[in-house]
Parts: sequence; structure tokens; C-alpha cells
Amino acid sequence: QKEVEQNSGPLSVPEGAIASLNCTYSDRVSQSFFWYRQYSGKSPELIMSIYSNGDKEDGRFTAQLNKASQYVSLLIRDSQPSDSATYLCAVKRTNAGKSTFGDGTTLTVKP
Amino acid sequence: KAGVTQTPRYLIKTRGQQVTLSCSPISGHRSVSWYQQTPGQGLQFLFEYFSETQRNKGNFPGRFSGRQFSNSRSEMNVSTLELGDSALYLCASSPGGGSYEQYFGPGTRLTVT
Repeated sequence: QKEVEQNSGPLSVPEGAIASLNCTYSDRVSQSFFWYRQYSGKSPELIMSIYSNGDKEDGRFTAQLNKASQYVSLLIRDSQPSDSATYLCAVKRTNAGKSTFGDGTTLTVKP
Repeated sequence: KAGVTQTPRYLIKTRGQQVTLSCSPISGHRSVSWYQQTPGQGLQFLFEYFSETQRNKGNFPGRFSGRQFSNSRSEMNVSTLELGDSALYLCASSPGGGSYEQYFGPGTRLTVT
């Protein structure tokens, strides 16, 4: 079992829809959770971090964390073609430098 | 603030050679981590440096090494290059001291022929 697993994808949604990206992790000690967006040929860009159970909203993005279920998700509201990218979930133990990444979910938003 | 910079951006080397990659973190950031990204393996952690000390190391052979200088700039070295070392090498900087968000540089694309 991989330490961090994401929807296998690819995920395709129409413009204006809600895109839902999911991630599960195996290390119960994990304390920090991140979502990165990576455009083709570019490096990952941090879009959300979440540390406590519940929801965290930033513009059109909402991250949801449930530590009991070892589950973190990212919702993108009003999806735009510019949101088309690979989304990477990363999990980190507090005080440890290593972030463990999932394989990513490729999202395509169709106009 | 300027972002993370990495040099060189592209590199072509021959098997058996060695290579040194450089990373300058965001000003004020003390932690630098290195990752290897390949299509087959995804993003794999190499090592992390904090205040010139290696704090964590991933599961890579000893051919991969790194260091950090007093100004937080970091270098990683790969000796005796193999074809499988062809990858995008990413540096990520973090403030450290309780802040865990990492910001990636543009990466160095290494091709080993």
C-alpha cells in the first residue's frame, strides 16, 4: 500500500462545475497536509495547506481534512480551463522535512 | 520576495560523470529539501537540510549527496551518473521553525545519455 494515494484519474469536468480530488494516507502520525498544482512542464505550486480537521477555504478552493479517516480532499468550485493541471497531495509529519507525495490526479476542465 | 532559484535549468551528462546542482531558497528560509521527479516514480524525497545540517534523508544510494551553506543556499551532487538518474530535480524551500509549507523552484532537468 502506498503511503499517499490519490484518485487514479484522469478527471474531467465541464467549466463551472465542482472538481473533487481525494487523497488518503497511511501514516497516522501525519500532521501537515498540502495540495500542489503542477502544470505540464512546470514545478509544483502550493495552493493549500491544512493542519486541523474540518474545512479550509481559499477563494474557489476548499481543503477538507478528516484525520480519523486519514482522508484529505480538495474541492475546486466554478472550475476554469486554467485549472487543468495535475494536483498533488502531500503529507508531512510535524518537525520532519520529508513530504510524501501522492502520484497526482490529472484534472481537465472542458470549456 | 524572489522565489526559489535553481541552476542550471537543463543539463545533459554522460553515464559515469558527476553533476552538481544548485538551489537558492527564498530569502529568510532556512530549510531546503531536494526531490527527484520521474514519470514512473513520481516525486521522491532525496534529503532535507536545515541550518547547514542534513535533517532527513530519503532512500537513495550514496551517489546522491548534498550540502547547505551558511547563507542557506544548497547544492546536491550525483556521482557516477546512471541512465536512471535522468529526471527533474526539484528544490523546495521552507521557513523552518514550525512552518512546514514548501515552495518549489523551477527544477533542473537532467538528462543522462
